[in-house]
Amino acid sequence: GNSVTQMEGPVTLSEEAFLTINCTYTATGYPSLFWYVQYPGEGLQLLLKATKADDKGSNKGFEATYRKETTSFHLEKGSVQVSDSAVYFCALSEDKFYFGSGTKLNVKP
Amino acid sequence: SAVISQKPSRDICQRGTSLTIQCQVDSQVTMMFWYRQQPGQSLTLIATANQGSEATYESGFVIDKFPISRPNLTFSTLTVSNMSPEDSSIYLCSGAGGYTGELFFGEGSRLTVL
Repeated sequence: GNSVTQMEGPVTLSEEAFLTINCTYTATGYPSLFWYVQYPGEGLQLLLKATKADDKGSNKGFEATYRKETTSFHLEKGSVQVSDSAVYFCALSEDKFYFGSGTKLNVKP
Repeated sequence: SAVISQKPSRDICQRGTSLTIQCQVDSQVTMMFWYRQQPGQSLTLIATANQGSEATYESGFVIDKFPISRPNLTFSTLTVSNMSPEDSSIYLCSGAGGYTGELFFGEGSRLTVL
């Protein structure tokens, strides 16, 4: 069956540090992959997406590349800000959406 | 992107009562879903809201506990019936449609059952 596994949090970084949040998936077909972000007290917002292998999604300095050979979609940002503190969810879409468990990011000034 | 509005945004309820959450979407959305997000956890799909017919429930969720209506394309309700403290959670309305393949979310309804 389909599933998404992402690294456990919380992840605590200092401002301007490099961020990686790992995400791997299991799928029966050729899913689309997504990263959603949930800021405190808010609903989920789409951060970026990729619809096929080798696609790179990017937004607000965040990037993730769809790697079919490693079934991964790791989220990266070169220099995090305090305002990036949130919970990040990796997800795949095939017959329906499957979400990872979420990774809380805390960025300290 | 699609606009999804939910209300109430939060409520505190007594054990044994029921609460109905309303969700309004714009015309870009063709499919509507209800999710539950328990504190510190990921999203769990409750059901797909089907226009003009009974919702399609996921394993572990039943219509008697979570009746869902979708009388037209852009409106749906979720009722949490006979609530207990274990129902304290965030309930999220979401929608998909168009060519983007994205899932859009409302801001959620935070429910606390005492």
